[in-house]
Amino acid sequence: GDSVTQMEGPVTLSEEAFLTINCTYTATGYPSLFWYVQYPGEGLQLLLKATKADDKGSNKGFEATYRKETTSFHLEKGSVQVSDSAVYFCALSAISGSARQLTFGSGTQLTVLP
Amino acid sequence: EADIYQTPRYLVIGTGKKITLECSQTMGHDKMYWYQQDPGMELHLIHYSYGVNSTEKGDLSSESTVSRIRTEHFPLTLESARPSHTSQYLCASSPSSGTSSGNTIYFGEGSWLTVV
Repeated sequence: GDSVTQMEGPVTLSEEAFLTINCTYTATGYPSLFWYVQYPGEGLQLLLKATKADDKGSNKGFEATYRKETTSFHLEKGSVQVSDSAVYFCALSAISGSARQLTFGSGTQLTVLP
Repeated sequence: EADIYQTPRYLVIGTGKKITLECSQTMGHDKMYWYQQDPGMELHLIHYSYGVNSTEKGDLSSESTVSRIRTEHFPLTLESARPSHTSQYLCASSPSSGTSSGNTIYFGEGSWLTVV
């Protein structure tokens, strides 16, 4: 079945540091890939997505490129801020009509220190 | 910005009480979901629905039940709450496959349930 493996946390960085959170996946076919962010006490917000190979999703300074050859979708940001502290979830979505379509990684807690 | 709403956001109830968590979306999405999540931990799918009168159990066994009488509404009910039900419950929805955003799932802000 489909699966998502995410870099384990927690990750602690200083403000303005470079961020990478690794994500690899296993899926049949050609899934869509997502990064969701969850701020403390809130639900999940879609951060960015990519729907086909070599697509780059970007939002709020975060980027991730859909790499089919390495089955990866690593999240990067060149200069993190304290406000980026949150839990980040990588996810994939099967393109079939199944309602079970979203498979999540286990989440990575990011803390950015001033 | 997704239009999916959950109430209550926070609730503390006693053991044995019946509770219904409400979820509504105004986007006309066919598919709706309930996930259970302990703080900062993995999400576990507990229920989902393809559309009106369709409900299915998810990957994680749950003592809760759901109903889907209207497209926009997907309430979750616990008939007799226990401390082990203490968790965050996230409702979500997505449009049918074939639309431009058919694979994107939109989440509500979550309902934090504490059973004492």
